[in-house]
Amino acid sequence: GAGVSQSPSNKVTEKGKDVELRCDPISGHTALYWYRQSLGQGLEFLIYFQGNSAPDKSGLPSDRFSAERTGGSVSTLTIQRTQQEDSAVYLCASSSGVGNEQFFGPGTRLTVL
Amino acid sequence: SQQGEEDPQALSIQEGENATMNCSYKTSINNLQWYRQNSGRGLVHLILIRSNEREKHSGRLRVTLDTSKKSSSLLITASRAADTASYFCASVSGNTPLVFGKGTRLSVIA
Repeated sequence: GAGVSQSPSNKVTEKGKDVELRCDPISGHTALYWYRQSLGQGLEFLIYFQGNSAPDKSGLPSDRFSAERTGGSVSTLTIQRTQQEDSAVYLCASSSGVGNEQFFGPGTRLTVL
Repeated sequence: SQQGEEDPQALSIQEGENATMNCSYKTSINNLQWYRQNSGRGLVHLILIRSNEREKHSGRLRVTLDTSKKSSSLLITASRAADTASYFCASVSGNTPLVFGKGTRLSVIA
């Protein structure tokens, strides 16, 4: 498909486990973004990539969160030792340049029991 | 913070009425964008207005930008039940990514 895809669409895990979320951006988009959205809330910016570099990691909630992007394409967001407060929808978006229109994926709904 | 903040937080109108949502931001911007979100999933881009533009139209949508007041408004005319969604504004400044507000939840009652 031509859009942004994310996997898995839903993830249920036990507290303390590690999870890895994947984002496939639109081909050719140099910028990639991760957001978190709790139920009924706005978007919380986590991190963005320009190419494979992450100029701003200040949005990551704690050192349990990390993200990487390889080959200027796929990105993974890893949450170690998950906590119940990590439960949210994790949204990925890509754009042709920082500040341009963002195209969003469908999100991954993470539930930590 | 240049975070956009939408107002009101929630809006309920009858089908056929117009809906107006406002957004304020704090720093000078390159552009401001409006997005729609259905059912808590991915956002869809609606319209982008640049800092040197004052008004822009797209179908039933009209966006205005007042840089002196650091505010923008989104007007949806002749609303439909299908317009029920959350609407977010996002501002862009310099080479930094969009910063989203908390959104306005619009309910259009048939």
